Amino acid sequence: GAVVSQHPSWVICKSGTSVKIECRSLDFQATTMFWYRQFPKQSLMLMATSNEGSKATYEQGVEKDKFLINHASLTLSTLTVTSAHPEDSSFYICSARGRGLAGNTGELFFGEGSRLTVL
Amino acid sequence: LAKTTQPISMDSYEGQEVNITCSHNNIATNDYITWYQQFPSQGPRFIIQGYKTKVTNEVASLFIPADRKSSTLSLPRVSLSDTAVYYCLALNTDKLIFGTGTRLQVFP
Repeated sequence: GAVVSQHPSWVICKSGTSVKIECRSLDFQATTMFWYRQFPKQSLMLMATSNEGSKATYEQGVEKDKFLINHASLTLSTLTVTSAHPEDSSFYICSARGRGLAGNTGELFFGEGSRLTVL
Repeated sequence: LAKTTQPISMDSYEGQEVNITCSHNNIATNDYITWYQQFPSQGPRFIIQGYKTKVTNEVASLFIPADRKSSTLSLPRVSLSDTAVYYCLALNTDKLIFGTGTRLQVFP
């Protein structure tokens, strides 16, 4: 099946620094990528949707200047958490929808997730 | 976007069949009903998808009545490794919104 890879799988940083998380589609072209964050024992919360070559669309309440999303190619999207604070500590998950994939409309493939801890 | 409602949690024992029902009263014509499984600290994993009637694969069955306002995920003979959160979603070409999910706990 299609594979989506995230890196790093976990990261610890100091408050005030910026952290970049990469999401790659390994065997298909991801025309659309979604970024989620998940707090312990809670569901996934959609942060933003990005289409290759265009600006990301952010969900209400998500600061676009805080969470920078870049989808410069069909296989890579990045999420940068700028000036991270302890409350940004969370599990960040990307998913990708691709071009030319088998299966029904809309099937998404998820990355393994990236756990961010801000000290 | 169709909102889904599931039980928050369910308990079962190894070897039993587990049925998790999801309601999606305002599902759209082009929505597919899709179930994902998530283990702690991992991304969701696709289980099964269907549009209507019954779909079966090697891990689960999905039952969808004619009105498509609900669906039931059936896991035959669960094992301890099936302990996870299961999400039901109405999926189309639009963005994907997760509901609360059902936390399944399987006991020995």
